[in-house]
Amino acid sequence: AQSVSQHNHHVILSEAASLELGCNYSYGGTVNLFWYVQYPGQHLQLLLKYFSGDPLVKGIKGFEAEFIKSKFSFNLRKPSVQWSDTAEYFCAVNAGNSGGSNYKLTFGKGTLLTVNP
Amino acid sequence: DAGVTQSPTHLIKTRGQQVTLRCSPKSGHDTVSWYQQALGQGPQFIFQYYEEEERQRGNFPDRFSGHQFPNYSSELNVNALLLGDSALYLCASSWRGGGYGYTFGSGTRLTVV
Repeated sequence: AQSVSQHNHHVILSEAASLELGCNYSYGGTVNLFWYVQYPGQHLQLLLKYFSGDPLVKGIKGFEAEFIKSKFSFNLRKPSVQWSDTAEYFCAVNAGNSGGSNYKLTFGKGTLLTVNP
Repeated sequence: DAGVTQSPTHLIKTRGQQVTLRCSPKSGHDTVSWYQQALGQGPQFIFQYYEEEERQRGNFPDRFSGHQFPNYSSELNVNALLLGDSALYLCASSWRGGGYGYTFGSGTRLTVV
């Protein structure tokens, strides 16, 4: 069974600080990896995704994530956060190349990011 | 605009009642998945519908059932509501199963009293 662990429940930063949110997954096969963001009162939005190829993935709004297969990790980074980045961030995984047998996304519990101006 | 439309946005039901939630997928998508998001938790997969059939199911009791219509829209039904069913219910649409990306709706907030 798949599982996702997000290390930090709540992260508080000042504007212009660098951000790294941890995500580790448990699954023995090929995976597709996602980071979603949920701004207050809004729907889940896709920040970035990894399916294959270059393990450094760039997403929207200056976010990037690095897939490290040996560590089963997919950490999210941003060099300089803004007040508008205040939101909840979810890491998610589903089985890739599954032959059509596993379509569900398994989410972590989320990390609430608060950016103080 | 999420592209995925869910209705209603909020709902209050009494324990033991039944509820139906609705989802219209993003244009071009043919697959609908349902998730339950309890307060302070990540979304939990309930089931996925493709070609009007339930293709995969998560660890939820039979009280949770669904349907997909020929126009790809979907309903989630929950019978015999429990207080613990109070949550945000999210619909996600995708193309051919969704291993390559999902679009989420804003959700229906269900409160069971």
